[in-house]
Amino acid sequence: GDSVTQMEGPVTLSEEAFLTINCTYTATGYPSLFWYVQYPGEGLQLLLKATKADDKGSNKGFEATYRKETTSFHLEKGSVQVSDSAVYFCALIDTNFGNEKLTFGTGTRLTIIP
Amino acid sequence: EPEVTQTPSHQVTQMGQEVILRCVPISNHLYFYWYRQILGQKVEFLVSFYNNEISEKSEIFDDQFSVERPDGSNFTLKIRSTKLEDSAMYFCASSVLGANTGELFFGEGSRLTVL
Repeated sequence: GDSVTQMEGPVTLSEEAFLTINCTYTATGYPSLFWYVQYPGEGLQLLLKATKADDKGSNKGFEATYRKETTSFHLEKGSVQVSDSAVYFCALIDTNFGNEKLTFGTGTRLTIIP
Repeated sequence: EPEVTQTPSHQVTQMGQEVILRCVPISNHLYFYWYRQILGQKVEFLVSFYNNEISEKSEIFDDQFSVERPDGSNFTLKIRSTKLEDSAMYFCASSVLGANTGELFFGEGSRLTVL
């Protein structure tokens, strides 16, 4: 079945550091890929997505590129801020018609210190 | 900004008791979901609901679980007879166009502790 593997957390960085959170996936079909973020006291919200190979999703300074050859969708940001402290979830969906199931990773807790 | 709201935020119950978790999805959304996350594990899909019926469910969603949209605004998850392993954070989500867009809006979650 489909699965998502994220790097283990927690991750602690200083402000303005470069961020990478690794995500790899296995899927039987041709999935769409997503990063969700959960800020303290809030629900998960979609951060960015990519629907086909070599697509780059970007939002709020975060980027992730759909790499079919390495089955990866790593999240990156060039200079993190304290406000980026949150839990980040990688997810996929098999794009077969009618499929409503998102498959998530465990989440990576990111803490940015000033 | 519209949001998905869930109640209660935390519920403690005895094994074997019935629990109802409530959600108010965003008003113009058509697709509704429940997910859960056991501490330290992955966020797992439980069920999706569209057009007043279950559209997809996982192996976890057995006869002990049921969902209902009783009044056009609430979306509930009922666990008939709770087990210790049902202890988890339960997330409700809703979507306008469905999960293929990835645009699911999640609530903050309801933490269920079964003793």
